[in-house]
Amino acid sequence: AQKVTQAQTEISVVEKEDVTLDCVYETRDTTYYLFWYKQPPSGELVFLIRRNSFDEQNEISGRYSWNFQKSTSSFNFTITASQVVDSAVYFCALSNYGQNFVFGPGTRLSVLP
Amino acid sequence: DSGVTQTPKHLITATGQRVTLRCSPRSGDLSVYWYQQSLDQGLQFLIQYYNGEERAKGNILERFSAQQFPDLHSELNLSSLELGDSALYFCASGQGTYEQYFGPGTRLTVT
Repeated sequence: AQKVTQAQTEISVVEKEDVTLDCVYETRDTTYYLFWYKQPPSGELVFLIRRNSFDEQNEISGRYSWNFQKSTSSFNFTITASQVVDSAVYFCALSNYGQNFVFGPGTRLSVLP
Repeated sequence: DSGVTQTPKHLITATGQRVTLRCSPRSGDLSVYWYQQSLDQGLQFLIQYYNGEERAKGNILERFSAQQFPDLHSELNLSSLELGDSALYFCASGQGTYEQYFGPGTRLTVT
């Protein structure tokens, strides 16, 4: 069975601090995909990144970076120099070759001015 | 704006009723996904269609059904509604089977 754990229910940081959101997954598949999504207070869901299980390279996109470690089954997300607009609920998700998606419970990030 | 449209935005109905939620994917996207988000269950994957064919099924109740039409829009039908079906229903579309772009959601309230 697939499972995604986001142990941090809520995180509060002050603007300009760096923050890391943890994601730990479980799967028996050798081919799988990991995702991060953002849900701001307005409610829409925004796709942030997809990573496949064969690519353990870390990725950086502006202030966002992702650290994928197969050895620890983790796919952590770091926001550098956080901004108020980063306040949102962030979901990590796991997919077995693009079919069934399993989401974590989400981490609510509050960035205070 | 993701390019995915969902109608209606809000829906209020009574228990036992049936409703249809509609989703129009981004131009060129062949995959459509349906999700349910509720306070109790979190975000749950319901079903995926790819170019008119059912591709994957998640935690979709037997009272729920979906289809994707030749023009690629999709409908999610919810019947014999219960209070617990009150939730935000998202549709997403994508090219292939990986990336997804979400619509604004339909908020369903069952009274």
